[in-house]
Amino acid sequence: AQTVTQSQPEMSVQEAETVTLSCTYDTSESNYYLFWYKQPPSRQMILVIRQEAYKQQNATENRFSVNFQKAAKSFSLKISDSQLGDTAMYFCAFRGGDYKLSFGAGTTVTVRA
Amino acid sequence: DVKVTQSSRYLVKRTGEKVFLECVQDMDHENMFWYRQDPGLGLRLIYFSYDVKMKEKGDIPEGYSVSREKKERFSLILESASTNQTSMYLCASTPTGNTGELFFGEGSRLTVL
Repeated sequence: AQTVTQSQPEMSVQEAETVTLSCTYDTSESNYYLFWYKQPPSRQMILVIRQEAYKQQNATENRFSVNFQKAAKSFSLKISDSQLGDTAMYFCAFRGGDYKLSFGAGTTVTVRA
Repeated sequence: DVKVTQSSRYLVKRTGEKVFLECVQDMDHENMFWYRQDPGLGLRLIYFSYDVKMKEKGDIPEGYSVSREKKERFSLILESASTNQTSMYLCASTPTGNTGELFFGEGSRLTVL
């Protein structure tokens, strides 16, 4: 399995502020996909955002954006204008040449009112 | 919408029991996966299947087996449950040819006493 590292076990942010989650990965492949998944408390995992490695432009989905640094093998997630519904565990994931995803350990994000 | 259904949300079993975890998806996806989720470890791949009757080991297959007799159904089997298999089990599916985004079930929390 590819190694995906999330170094922040927990993050706390005030409502309406911005929080950035870090993720690094290790691979020798040149073409791959990166994902951020969200797992709300007691609810199923859903995709937040994806990035294709061959695309230089950083992906954006509404308040969620990534900073993809291919040479550094870094893939951070920025949540802008945080909302209470953003409270969840966030997982960074890597997919190489097959359909298997490797996941990081997760970061628990708590949005404070 | 894609729906991945796991048969049991919560199970409590005794050491040595045989345990079946069932997963059904309704979108004709070729690829199905079983992951195990543990605090601080993220998601780890147990087994996956690319097609009916095909299966491949993931990163932690020891103590588990799987069955895929029909395209929509992927079962995880614990032949003789042990306390270290107490965990959250997540099933996921994805179609061949897309970016590899996984669609997850709600999870099955298994406690082995």
